[in-house]
Amino acid sequence: GIQVEQSPPDLILQEGANSTLRCNFSDSVNNLQWFHQNPWGQLINLFYIPSGTKQNGRLSATTVATERYSLLYISSSQTTDSGVYFCAVPAQGGSEKLVFGKGTKLTVNP
Amino acid sequence: KAGVTQTPRYLIKTRGQQVTLSCSPISGHRSVSWYQQTPGQGLQFLFEYFSETQRNKGNFPGRFSGRQFSNSRSEMNVSTLELGDSALYLCASSLVPGGNTEAFFGQGTRLTVV
Repeated sequence: GIQVEQSPPDLILQEGANSTLRCNFSDSVNNLQWFHQNPWGQLINLFYIPSGTKQNGRLSATTVATERYSLLYISSSQTTDSGVYFCAVPAQGGSEKLVFGKGTKLTVNP
Repeated sequence: KAGVTQTPRYLIKTRGQQVTLSCSPISGHRSVSWYQQTPGQGLQFLFEYFSETQRNKGNFPGRFSGRQFSNSRSEMNVSTLELGDSALYLCASSLVPGGNTEAFFGQGTRLTVV
């Protein structure tokens, strides 16, 4: 089945710094989602981005489907950005199943 | 517009017992999927339901089961609980199945088996 790899696994930043998180996937996909898992465990939707670039405030994402990767950019990071970021793609075969990467744990220090 | 609602939020059970978790999807969403999250295994797919039918099931033992009702609400059941079943259980809803629509997650149910 499709494989999803995220890098880096851990990232520590000072408040105000910028960062780039990467998501590679092993086969073609027709959509990709980025999530932020908050300290209480809920997965918060950041982007639904099959291809192209989207922006939402300090966050933006780019998916290059032909090259099988997606990037999540966080600018001017804040302590509230801390948490784990996941990307997920649908399993093949028309299933609703999402295949997740192992996540990037981001810590933003004041 | 209400989000995905999971109940209960927290559960503590004893080995050998059984447990039922509930998920109410976003209004109008008909597809519900369940995931288990543990520190060692990450997020793993359990099963997905659409129109009261199980469409797919992940690689979990038969102790894990689920169902979906006509109003799209879903329940999952774990029988004969084991310590290793301690995990965060997340439910996702989407408009239709097939991987082409955005999935939204509930806050999860944190199950502890002692």
